[in-house]
Amino acid sequence: GAGVSQTPSNKVTEKGKYVELRCDPISGHTALYWYRQSLGQGPEFLIYFQGTGAADDSGLPNDRFFAVRPEGSVSTLKIQRTERGDSAVYLCASSLMAARNEQFFGPGTRLTVL
Amino acid sequence: QQQVKQSPQSLIVQKGGIPIINCAYENTAFDYFPWYQQFPGKGPALLIAIRPDVSEKKEGRFTISFNKSAKQFSLHIMDSQPGDSATYFCAASRGGNMLTFGGGTRLMVKP
Repeated sequence: GAGVSQTPSNKVTEKGKYVELRCDPISGHTALYWYRQSLGQGPEFLIYFQGTGAADDSGLPNDRFFAVRPEGSVSTLKIQRTERGDSAVYLCASSLMAARNEQFFGPGTRLTVL
Repeated sequence: QQQVKQSPQSLIVQKGGIPIINCAYENTAFDYFPWYQQFPGKGPALLIAIRPDVSEKKEGRFTISFNKSAKQFSLHIMDSQPGDSATYFCAASRGGNMLTFGGGTRLMVKP
């Protein structure tokens, strides 16, 4: 079946603008995770959903970052008042259920803030 | 502190060699230790994973060795091929929660 998909693959925006990044998890996967990967580093956790609710949002760096998953499938990561330091690859992963542990990643969205 | 330290940062081996990548963790509550392979421009792909109740796991050419008392685990790639050239990340998690990743190892396998 299809893997995790993310759109757009690339996003270039100007400082101060608002952006939305979308993640479509593997069908039937109830757990969804967002990570951020800066150049040359490992992914860093942002937020995790089990179903529709955010089970853990401790990785969100500040209140400019917000994510939703209203129907328990597709998720959107929203970034307000973007800053140059937000430039990174934003990765989404899904898991059949959190207790299964195995997380499968999408290709990521490369965000560039000018 | 939930931290995973990975070494080396980069590694060059000849085709057929056995690169070894090491990771150390601090949080004894971690109960799942996966390795991911990432090619440029792609997302990380799950290679192999281990739980702390076993000391070794082998899948194809990839082997994880796990030392619970030392809080260390390592990835061995047997008969390495140029196609294995990629960045490898170790990670750890507790109870199905978020993954904590190491800093990555850039592997180059020379023909």
